[in-house]
Amino acid sequence: GDSVTQMEGPVTLSEEAFLTINCTYTATGYPSLFWYVQYPGEGLQLLLKATKADDKGSNKGFEATYRKETTSFHLEKGSVQVSDSAVYFCALRDSGAGSYQLTFGKGTKLSVIP
Amino acid sequence: DGGITQSPKYLFRKEGQNVTLSCEQNLNHDAMYWYRQDPGQGLRLIYYSQIVNDFQKGDIAEGYSVSREKKESFPLTVTSAQKNPTAFYLCASTRLGEQFFGPGTRLTVL
Repeated sequence: GDSVTQMEGPVTLSEEAFLTINCTYTATGYPSLFWYVQYPGEGLQLLLKATKADDKGSNKGFEATYRKETTSFHLEKGSVQVSDSAVYFCALRDSGAGSYQLTFGKGTKLSVIP
Repeated sequence: DGGITQSPKYLFRKEGQNVTLSCEQNLNHDAMYWYRQDPGQGLRLIYYSQIVNDFQKGDIAEGYSVSREKKESFPLTVTSAQKNPTAFYLCASTRLGEQFFGPGTRLTVL
């Protein structure tokens, strides 16, 4: 079955540091890939997405590139801010699925300190 | 504003009691989902519904029940058969493959 593996957290960075959160996946078809962000006590918000190989999703300074050869979708940001402190989830939607069901990673908690 | 609302935000229940969590959306989305979130375990799918009057079990449906009588509403009942119900519950709906989430309900069993 489909699965998503994220680097385990928590990750603690100083403000303006470079961020990478690794995500790899296993899927039977040609999945679409997503990064969601969850701020404390809230639901999830879509951060960015990519629907085919070599696509780059980007939003709010975050980027991730769909790498089919390495089955990866790593999240990066060049300079993090305190307001980026949240939990980040990598997810996939398999193209073969009849529904829009998502498979999520376990999440990576990011804390950014001033 | 369009969106997904969940109520209540916090819910306390005694062991052995059933409790119903509300999820309403005014986005005119066909598909709706319930997830359970536990620390360090990500999101796990409980039930989903693609159309009114139809729903399917997800990965962890035991001890839960749902109904979908209206397009806008997808309530989740946590029954006394659920052995460990304390968790954060998230409702979502889908449009064009993108899932939109509600703010969540934190259920605590006392």
